Amino acid sequence: DGGITQSPKYLFRKEGQNVTLSCEQNLNHDAMYWYRQDPGQGLRLIYYSQIVNDFQKGDIAEGYSVSREKKESFPVTVTSAQKNPTAFYLCASGGQGGVNTEAFFGQGTRLTVV
Amino acid sequence: AQSVTQPDIHITVSEGASLELRCNYSYGATPYLFWYVQSPGQGLQLLLKYFSGDTLVQGIKGFEAEFKRSQSSFNLRKPSVHWSDAAEYFCAVRRPRGADGLTFGKGTHLIIQP
Repeated sequence: DGGITQSPKYLFRKEGQNVTLSCEQNLNHDAMYWYRQDPGQGLRLIYYSQIVNDFQKGDIAEGYSVSREKKESFPVTVTSAQKNPTAFYLCASGGQGGVNTEAFFGQGTRLTVV
Repeated sequence: AQSVTQPDIHITVSEGASLELRCNYSYGATPYLFWYVQSPGQGLQLLLKYFSGDTLVQGIKGFEAEFKRSQSSFNLRKPSVHWSDAAEYFCAVRRPRGADGLTFGKGTHLIIQP
């Protein structure tokens, strides 16, 4: 089935450790996105990529890094510089622009840093 | 900068009653408009979208939304709710013909009373 796969669903890390969240899509979408969700805050854009080997910062990029080496994959690393990393992380993908390019979301990864 | 306001953090509706969730946006022109639904611990599912044309749009699960340019609103409605509609609902906007991510409201938590 076509879709977006995020792994793992739950992730626990110790404070000070970097952690990488995986996102893979087989929808042949050019654009991919990472959002962070906190209770009562809605979703906030971390990074996005419109094409392979290119990405832009979103509203809350500090403490995160991304790569886009393949069209299908857009992993994000939560670094030790991120002050409050515990959150629910959602990956999405969509077309390059124009109509019918709504974002499709993965099932999310809940990261807990202790 | 664009923004989205969902004035109601929580709404409680009796099963079988009608529903209206409010969404107001701030944007220089008419953005692309979306409503998503999220069940606990899950990703987001698109309910409906508005790009242009008819201001009343139909979505999945019996939902509809009306775009009102004069009020900068895109309210979601359903004539008769079911217990399975209990979830978090998010309104979002995006720049037309762009692929630079969605701006979300903070969400409305819908509770269904038996």
